[in-house]
Amino acid sequence: GAVVSQHPSWVICKSGTSVKIECRSLDFQATTMFWYRQFPKQSLMLMATSNEGSKATYEQGVEKDKFLINHASLTLSTLTVTSAHPEDSSFYICSAPQRSRVETEAFFGQGTRLTVV
Amino acid sequence: AQSVTQPDIHITVSEGASLELRCNYSYGATPYLFWYVQSPGQGLQLLLKYFSGDTLVQGIKGFEAEFKRSQSSFNLRKPSVHWSDAAEYFCAVGARTGGFKTIFGAGTRLFVKA
Repeated sequence: GAVVSQHPSWVICKSGTSVKIECRSLDFQATTMFWYRQFPKQSLMLMATSNEGSKATYEQGVEKDKFLINHASLTLSTLTVTSAHPEDSSFYICSAPQRSRVETEAFFGQGTRLTVV
Repeated sequence: AQSVTQPDIHITVSEGASLELRCNYSYGATPYLFWYVQSPGQGLQLLLKYFSGDTLVQGIKGFEAEFKRSQSSFNLRKPSVHWSDAAEYFCAVGARTGGFKTIFGAGTRLFVKA
């Protein structure tokens, strides 16, 4: 299957600083990518849809000024957590759908564990 | 609106026993359906998927799932559970509109006892 790479795998940052997470589709182009957040012992919740060349679409309750998304190319989307606070500590996962003639499937990155201290 | 329900928060099964994890979905059209497994602190691993065709789908690690349109269900099964199967299992729907976002169920934690 296709490969989606996320970087970094884990990051620890101080409260008040910003952290950037990268999501790359390595062997296919993705005009759309998705960002999810998973709190401990909970499910994955969609945060936003990243659209190449245009603004991201955020789910209800997600602060767009806090979670900045940039999708500048067909293979890269970035999520920047601005002015991070301990409550932003979570597991963040991206996905990118790959369309074939027959079907579409979303491929997931390995996730980024963010700890804000 | 699309949604996925996994009614069992956790299940405990003896090693060697059979397993069935339940999943019900709500979707306006024929869905893309998935089962993922996640070990603690790890990312997602795709177990199997259903797009169309044969309603009984075979996956990795001996898992299978059956799509039943009349019941809006996509239950995951395994005939004999191994201790290494202990993990969190997520059922998911791939929404064909909106760029193919994935909607996850709440997850079922599987415990395996010796």
